[in-house]
Amino acid sequence: DSGVTQTPKHLITATGQRVTLRCSPRSGDLSVYWYQQSLDQGLQFLIQYYNGEERAKGNILERFSAQQFPDLHSELNLSSLELGDSALYFCASSAVAGGALDTQYFGPGTRLTVL
Amino acid sequence: GQNIDQPTEMTATEGAIVQINCTYQTSGFNGLFWYQQHAGEAPTFLSYNVLDGLEEKGRFSSFLSRSKGYSYLLLKELQMKDSASYLCAVRDSDDKIIFGKGTRLHILP
Repeated sequence: DSGVTQTPKHLITATGQRVTLRCSPRSGDLSVYWYQQSLDQGLQFLIQYYNGEERAKGNILERFSAQQFPDLHSELNLSSLELGDSALYFCASSAVAGGALDTQYFGPGTRLTVL
Repeated sequence: GQNIDQPTEMTATEGAIVQINCTYQTSGFNGLFWYQQHAGEAPTFLSYNVLDGLEEKGRFSSFLSRSKGYSYLLLKELQMKDSASYLCAVRDSDDKIIFGKGTRLHILP
C-alpha cells in the first residue's frame, strides 16, 4: 500500500458525459501527478501540481482539467468523454516538486470505461 | 520530438542477470527514473539518476550516460517475482515526464 488513495476504483459511463476522479496524496506529500495509461499508448504524463499550483503540464487534452485543493487532495475532471478516453488513470504523489528526492508513489488507479 | 526507446520484451532465466536498455531524446534533462509495473497494478519506483554513473540498490542497479542519452537497469539474481514491465521515464527541462512504452520481462525457471 503506497498511501495514495484514488476513488472510484472503477467508473463506467457513456460518451459525451463528464466524470471526476479523486486522489488523496500520502500524508506530507505536496506534489500530485496525474497519468493516463492505455494499452496502445503506455503511460502518459498529464499534469503535476505542487502545493496547490500547477507545476508541469504534459499531453493533457483541453477537455481535461485538474486542480489541487488546500488540503492537497486533487481532482481530475474529464468532460465530453470519447471512447478513446477509456484507460487507467493513475495519481502519484511525492514530497517535493522535482530533483533527487522526487520519488513518486502511485495510487491503485481508476479504471475508466466509456461506452 | 521527444522520444524514449526501450526493448518491447526480454526473457531471462531465474538466477541470471539481465540488462534493460533505454535511450532518450528529450528537450533538456532533469533526471531519469525506472519503475516496475506488474500486470494490473500501479508502477512502483525503482531508481532515479541525474548524474552520470551507476546507482546500486540491492539486486537492482541503474546507469546513466547523459552525453549518450542512455541508461540501463541491471537486475541480478533474478527471481520469478521480477517478471513485470520495466518503465524508463525522463523529466525534461520543462519538468514534463516522458515515459517509454516499457519492457516486458519474462523470467523462466
